[in-house]
Amino acid sequence: GIQVEQSPPDLILQEGANSTLRCNFSDSVNNLQWFHQNPWGQLINLFYIPSGTKQNGRLSATTVATERYSLLYISSSQTTDSGVYFCAVEGSGGGADGLTFGKGTHLIIQP
Amino acid sequence: AAGVIQSPRHLIKEKRETATLKCYPIPRHDTVYWYQQGPGQDPQFLISFYEKMQSDKGSIPDRFSAQQFSDYHSELNMSSLELGDSALYFCASSLAAEQYFGPGTRLTVT
Repeated sequence: GIQVEQSPPDLILQEGANSTLRCNFSDSVNNLQWFHQNPWGQLINLFYIPSGTKQNGRLSATTVATERYSLLYISSSQTTDSGVYFCAVEGSGGGADGLTFGKGTHLIIQP
Repeated sequence: AAGVIQSPRHLIKEKRETATLKCYPIPRHDTVYWYQQGPGQDPQFLISFYEKMQSDKGSIPDRFSAQQFSDYHSELNMSSLELGDSALYFCASSLAAEQYFGPGTRLTVT
């Protein structure tokens, strides 16, 4: 099956800092999504981005499908950005395939 | 906007008991997915349904079964529960490729 690797596994930053999270995947994809899992366990959709670039406020993401990686940028970090960031992909096999998640990046924003 | 609804939100069961989790997809979404997330782990895909037919199968144990009903809601049935089944269970729904996740059901097996 498709493999997903995220880096770094852990990241500790001060409030106001910027960060870049990376997701590498092993095969072509129909779907790539970024999620934020908050301390209460909720998975919040950040981006649906199988290719191209999107921005939403302080967050932006870029996927280069031909090189099989995606980047999530967080600018001017706030303590509420803390949590685990997951990248998840669906291979291009067709059908209602489930997402394969990476191990996540655990982000801690200190005040 | 309407979101995916899961019930119950919390469930405590004893070993060898059965549990049923319910999922109500976003209106007009025709595909439902189930995922299991153990403590400190990433979510693992269990099973999916498209138009009430099983579409894809992941790492779902034989003790688990699921179905999607005519109103598109889905139920995950879990029998002979084990301590290792304690996890957060997510349901997601989609109309196209993007999946939208519900708040999850936290199952504790004692």
